[in-house]
Amino acid sequence: AQTVTQSQPEMSVQEAETVTLSCTYDTSESDYYLFWYKQPPSRQMILVIRQEAYKQQNATENRFSVNFQKAAKSFSLKISDSQLGDAAMYFCAYNEGGSTSNFGNEKLTFGTGTRLTIIP
Amino acid sequence: SAVISQKPSRDICQRGTSLTIQCQVDSQVTMMFWYRQQPGQSLTLIATANQGSEATYESGFVIDKFPISRPNLTFSTLTVSNMSPEDSSIYLCSAQTGTGYEQYFGPGTRLTVT
Repeated sequence: AQTVTQSQPEMSVQEAETVTLSCTYDTSESDYYLFWYKQPPSRQMILVIRQEAYKQQNATENRFSVNFQKAAKSFSLKISDSQLGDAAMYFCAYNEGGSTSNFGNEKLTFGTGTRLTIIP
Repeated sequence: SAVISQKPSRDICQRGTSLTIQCQVDSQVTMMFWYRQQPGQSLTLIATANQGSEATYESGFVIDKFPISRPNLTFSTLTVSNMSPEDSSIYLCSAQTGTGYEQYFGPGTRLTVT
């Protein structure tokens, strides 16, 4: 079974600084999808960024970027110029997509989350 | 992307009763999902609900306890049956749209069982 590991239960960063959240995963598939979701206190799960495993280029969305290391099965999230509104739980997630071995069962596997605190 | 609404947003129920949670998507989607999130924890998938077929339940979840309906491509319900305090949790629905396998989530239903 696929597993997603987030080894940092909590992180904190000064406002305007940069922080990196770590995520590793285990899979035998070659094609899959990785995501970072943000869950603020409102509990709404918000998609932050998406990475397709077959793309070598790291995904970027404004202040959010990833460092995807396929061989190492690592998928970290970098938040630049941290803002108070970035304070939230961040979850890393994995989806096999429509691979041959997983057709019709495209479920997300989540990590345990990292609580990010922004220090004013 | 998709906009997803859930009703109710929260409820307090007595043990032994049942609660049905509704999930509405603003566009037609093939796959919808139901998750449970206990306080301070990650999301655990309860079941996958595809329109026109029976829901697929994850290990530890059974249809008698969590019956799911999926009458059309924009709507699903999850019922939490014969509730106990251990069922107190946040329940979230999600929908998978497009071809990128990302899921979009509803705002969740906070359930407290007394």
